[in-house]
Amino acid sequence: GQNIDQPTEMTATEGAIVQINCTYQTSGFNGLFWYQQHAGEAPTFLSYNVLDGLEEKGRFSSFLSRSKGYSYLLLKELQMKDSASYLCAVRDAAGNKLTFGGGTRVLVKP
Amino acid sequence: NAGVMQNPRHLVRRRGQEARLRCSPMKGHSHVYWYRQLPEEGLKFMVYLQKENIIDESGMPKERFSAEFPKEGPSILRIQQVVRGDSAAYFCASSHPGANVLTFGAGSRLTVL
Repeated sequence: GQNIDQPTEMTATEGAIVQINCTYQTSGFNGLFWYQQHAGEAPTFLSYNVLDGLEEKGRFSSFLSRSKGYSYLLLKELQMKDSASYLCAVRDAAGNKLTFGGGTRVLVKP
Repeated sequence: NAGVMQNPRHLVRRRGQEARLRCSPMKGHSHVYWYRQLPEEGLKFMVYLQKENIIDESGMPKERFSAEFPKEGPSILRIQQVVRGDSAAYFCASSHPGANVLTFGAGSRLTVL
């Protein structure tokens, strides 16, 4: 089975940096994903890691350590529009489906 | 490219009625996934389908729930004899065969009175 943990909520100030951690315990692993979801809207894809290391994409970066079962999403230069839930998800070994964590709600304050 | 289209966006049913939720995948996508999301919670996998085949239904409740993805037309998630606990947002996602990323629709919000 899959067990994915991430903090429930985080608060940060506009212009600052926030790091959202995700730990996972899975029976198989074929990639880790981060999605952003604004309230009442569809989740949208942010990043994908399958090898250890850091993937950078503009203000967002994602890191993976497979040996530790650990990932983080780093949001830099926070903007008010970054207030959303951030969902960590692991793909199973067969590559068939994503299993999601409970999501981290990030509130950006002025 | 219209993206993943779900309808209805909002559906209200009384206990005991049936709910049918439809999902048209992105053009060229042949894999469809259904997820359920309760308020303030993450997405829970329900079922993964390809055209005319159910590949993984390990997240589907054993009773009252069914899904199909016919050769022609949208994928349909059907909930019979709805109960209040079925109230949730149901999201559909689609992908290319072998693709890494799932693209999600805007969801269908079911309210059971």
